[in-house]
Amino acid sequence: DTAVSQTPKYLVTQMGNDKSIKCEQNLGHDTMYWYKQDSKKFLKIMFSYNNKELIINETVPNRFSPKSPDKAHLNLHINSLELGDSAVYFCASSERQGWRNIQYFGAGTRLSVL
Amino acid sequence: GQQVMQIPQYQHVQEGEDFTTYCNSSTTLSNIQWYKQRPGGHPVFLIQLVKSGEVKKQKRLTFQFGEAKKNSSLHITATQTTDVGTYFCAGSASGTYKYIFGTGTRLKVLA
Repeated sequence: DTAVSQTPKYLVTQMGNDKSIKCEQNLGHDTMYWYKQDSKKFLKIMFSYNNKELIINETVPNRFSPKSPDKAHLNLHINSLELGDSAVYFCASSERQGWRNIQYFGAGTRLSVL
Repeated sequence: GQQVMQIPQYQHVQEGEDFTTYCNSSTTLSNIQWYKQRPGGHPVFLIQLVKSGEVKKQKRLTFQFGEAKKNSSLHITATQTTDVGTYFCAGSASGTYKYIFGTGTRLKVLA
């Protein structure tokens, strides 16, 4: 059983299109995240939800909209895709226990915008 | 805003040589984590350090957290080809949910 699963694994699309990436975790964690990893491998946090509430919202274009229908799911919708959106998007989840807040990452979604 | 830099950006070593990556934060951290990402893979948690000056070991890996809680290091003794990947530190200020990932060090091990 995959702990954090993302779909799709690959996404190739044209500029201007709208696309969604889905994430599900079966670890029972209460916090989920979206990260963007660019071609230089820099990993940047985009959003985080804790029990369906948005707690982290970094400087991200408002074309990106996360949605958490329940604490096991966090989806990412992207409107009007641009070339610069091409990257690997990772979903992660964690359960905070005192200082411990280990993040478990999904396998990633490789988005290519043509 | 908070920035976390790592050096070196790349490191090629012969199998059996030692390797060290250094992580420096622009702000004082409450704790720091280390992750490893294999080529084509996703980040995987290695360890978390919380106390000033803390040193932890995992087999050939030694992790240190600086006295000022602004820097950290990961040292690998006698590298193996299985150590190949990118190593990231991730720092949290004030124990928040937000971890800022370092710029990463990409390690290649030549057999």
